[in-house]
Amino acid sequence: AQKVTQAQTEISVVEKEDVTLDCVYETRDTTYYLFWYKQPPSGELVFLIRRNSFDEQNEISGRYSWNFQKSTSSFNFTITASQVVDSAVYFCALSEGTSGTYKYIFGTGTRLKVLA
Amino acid sequence: ETGVTQTPRHLVMGMTNKKSLKCEQHLGHNAMYWYKQSAKKPLELMFVYNFKEQTENNSVPSRFSPECPNSSHLFLHLHTLQPEDSALYLCASSHPRVSGRGYEQYFGPGTRLTVT
Repeated sequence: AQKVTQAQTEISVVEKEDVTLDCVYETRDTTYYLFWYKQPPSGELVFLIRRNSFDEQNEISGRYSWNFQKSTSSFNFTITASQVVDSAVYFCALSEGTSGTYKYIFGTGTRLKVLA
Repeated sequence: ETGVTQTPRHLVMGMTNKKSLKCEQHLGHNAMYWYKQSAKKPLELMFVYNFKEQTENNSVPSRFSPECPNSSHLFLHLHTLQPEDSALYLCASSHPRVSGRGYEQYFGPGTRLTVT
């Protein structure tokens, strides 16, 4: 069955520190998609990145980077030089590639607090 | 207006009331979703509509009744709710889910529902 585990419930860092948010997933499919979303205090989930199971290239976007490793079923998210505005709850999600499946499975989220 | 909008943003209702939540997307998507987000629980998928047809009902109690008159609008009709139904209700949209392709979801700001 599909499952997404974000073992870190809450992380606190001081501004300018680097922080990595962990995501481990379970799936029996060979085709699947992984996502990261940010939920600031306003409540709206903001899409950050999508990665398909055939693309293991790591990606960097500004201060954000993602490390996808199929061998360990992990899709970790690193924020470099964190800022107070990065404070939010971050969700990892999985969607399988099976036809007719419309489910997106979300992890329980990691609350990141960046202290000034 | 762009993106996904939801109204109202906040709603307080008694257990005998009937109310409706509205979601509208301006992204040209054909799939729409309702999620429930309770404190300390993962995001729970409630309903999925694909090209106006309901394709997923995740064992949601009948006191929640969705309606999708067209691909841009989604409603959630509420009646005789319970206090445990108090939560943030999030609407999302995406391109339709087809085999082998996965798309990110775009979320609205949510409706904070309190049942008294």
